[in-house]
Amino acid sequence: NAGVMQNPRHLVRRRGQEARLRCSPMKGHSHVYWYRQLPEEGLKFMVYLQKENIIDESGMPKERFSAEFPKEGPSILRIQQVVRGDSAAYFCASSPKGGPTDTQYFGPGTRLTVL
Amino acid sequence: GQQVMQIPQYQHVQEGEDFTTYCNSSTTLSNIQWYKQRPGGHPVFLIQLVKSGEVKKQKRLTFQFGEAKKNSSLHITATQTTDVGTYFCAGSDYKLSFGAGTTVTVRA
Repeated sequence: NAGVMQNPRHLVRRRGQEARLRCSPMKGHSHVYWYRQLPEEGLKFMVYLQKENIIDESGMPKERFSAEFPKEGPSILRIQQVVRGDSAAYFCASSPKGGPTDTQYFGPGTRLTVL
Repeated sequence: GQQVMQIPQYQHVQEGEDFTTYCNSSTTLSNIQWYKQRPGGHPVFLIQLVKSGEVKKQKRLTFQFGEAKKNSSLHITATQTTDVGTYFCAGSDYKLSFGAGTTVTVRA
């Protein structure tokens, strides 16, 4: 029973390049959440998606960041024209129902380094 | 949105001793969840508290939810080296609002 999968685990980009982070939820989970963690800090909510729908993107910067969760395939977090401040660990979590008492299961994360 | 604060930020513990980490919210929480993150790892779900005044135990870990549902605590007894990591509390209204975490180191 595979858990949440994320790839790549480590990603290095130069300023101005694009970063694509992928997340495959646990089997049977249709709710996906993305969080960002800066060094020595807690996780900050970015976006919540269900299949083909963005439910809440209130934590995501309005420029350069976008997310999708297509009908087929993994959820993608896309960062265009990366800057040094985008360097962080990006975690994806999934849950079965999406309610406030739903347990979220986290993937191993993608560590993004912007040179 | 919810703002969740945790203290202390760092906890240095002698192996075998007890310690407590505290979590406070600016608003009433529908529930609170606790996660543990090992260095270089990802958050792992520990427990969820839903009811006012609820107390749950997992071996040496005791979790408590305040009567007003605005605060919570995690108490660890007889600390072991395997307890090393950062403990986060998070309020949930489908998205998790994490505290900054308590990073625990253990002196053998």
